[in-house]
Amino acid sequence: EAQVTQNPRYLITVTGKKLTVTCSQNMNHEYMSWYRQDPGLGLRQIYYSMNVEVTDKGDVPEGYKVSRKEKRNFPLILESPSPNQTSLYFCASMGPPEYEQYFGPGTRLTVT
Amino acid sequence: AQSVTQPDIHITVSEGASLELRCNYSYGATPYLFWYVQSPGQGLQLLLKYFSGDTLVQGIKGFEAEFKRSQSSFNLRKPSVHWSDAAEYFCAVGLNRDDKIIFGKGTRLHILP
Repeated sequence: EAQVTQNPRYLITVTGKKLTVTCSQNMNHEYMSWYRQDPGLGLRQIYYSMNVEVTDKGDVPEGYKVSRKEKRNFPLILESPSPNQTSLYFCASMGPPEYEQYFGPGTRLTVT
Repeated sequence: AQSVTQPDIHITVSEGASLELRCNYSYGATPYLFWYVQSPGQGLQLLLKYFSGDTLVQGIKGFEAEFKRSQSSFNLRKPSVHWSDAAEYFCAVGLNRDDKIIFGKGTRLHILP
């Protein structure tokens, strides 16, 4: 079954404690992306990757890092989380032939 | 810069009534257009997409959308809504088929019994 998985699904942490949210897809897609969703703001892109070792900033990259060492994985790293990063995070991947974004189930992060 | 506008934050319709959700975009070229649905506590699911060809696109769950270049719009319609359609709907636009897409802020649909 084609899918995008994210872990953890829920995370409560404290300010400044480094964390990583993993994302993995099994569709051999080249394009992967991270979004955050906040009430009234829709989905905003954090980072995206067009292929292995190719990443670029989206609209709200401050405070986040990503890496793309393998095609299937695209982890999101928060080196020093702050309360304004409390949000719902989605990973997505896209590729031929459909060229539509497949979304993971989401990770709800709370930073206290 | 490209942008996507969903003018209605909330819409309430009665079960069985017709539905139209509005989406307008600002883009220089012919865009790639998408509608996604997010049920409460769920991820996003693609309802339909438009890349080229027939401007009336059929999607899943009985939804359709029409691309109108002259109005820069891609409105979503359904002839008769069901209680299970209560969700948040997002319009999205991309410049290229395999590149980033920009999402609107969403329209939350409420269904009256």
